[in-house]
Amino acid sequence: GAVVSQHPSWVICKSGTSVKIECRSLDFQATTMFWYRQFPKQSLMLMATSNEGSKATYEQGVEKDKFLINHASLTLSTLTVTSAHPEDSSFYICSARSGLAGFTDTQYFGPGTRLTVL
Amino acid sequence: AQSVTQLGSHVSVSEGALVLLRCNYSSSVPPYLFWYVQYPNQGLQLLLKYTTGATLVKGINGFEAEFKKSETSFHLTKPSAHMSDAAEYFCAVRPEGDDKIIFGKGTRLHILP
Repeated sequence: GAVVSQHPSWVICKSGTSVKIECRSLDFQATTMFWYRQFPKQSLMLMATSNEGSKATYEQGVEKDKFLINHASLTLSTLTVTSAHPEDSSFYICSARSGLAGFTDTQYFGPGTRLTVL
Repeated sequence: AQSVTQLGSHVSVSEGALVLLRCNYSSSVPPYLFWYVQYPNQGLQLLLKYTTGATLVKGINGFEAEFKKSETSFHLTKPSAHMSDAAEYFCAVRPEGDDKIIFGKGTRLHILP
């Protein structure tokens, strides 16, 4: 149980284009989803927290207009990198947390999406 | 602010030897504690977690960790290393009442044949 998927697993795009990454909880309802960014050989950096049906809460220094997050349902959140540039190239990982009592203490992570901007 | 310190960015052990990955946290109130493993180009997989109760926590793949409040530590151990254990390991804390998880910088475990 507690499986989280991401699509696509990798994407290459041209500078200036937008890329959408999907994060799905496959066997549970995720009231909260989190988006992280990981640079090579580094730890995860939290970008934003999203609750179903609400606007995402962005961490300090993360451009909300560049990284659009939507959490329209209890099983799906999307991250759109708008007008991507080479410096946006990174490994993006989402996680999801159930809202059920007794299951709210753990985040379950997706397999990640490798974004390369040319 | 909460922080997590993982001692040693790289740890090498021989196959069959004891694995010990160290993690210390800063908090006056015991938080929730986690160990995650990350294989190359993959997401994070939960190894084990401590929330309340028994301080020795057993996880998957033969790993276990012990919460020591007096030492503010949550070290990860495995009695006998396998080649398949080679990966990046992250210690993480979630302060009580907080949504966010704070990750350590990670320790890369190398297994020597």
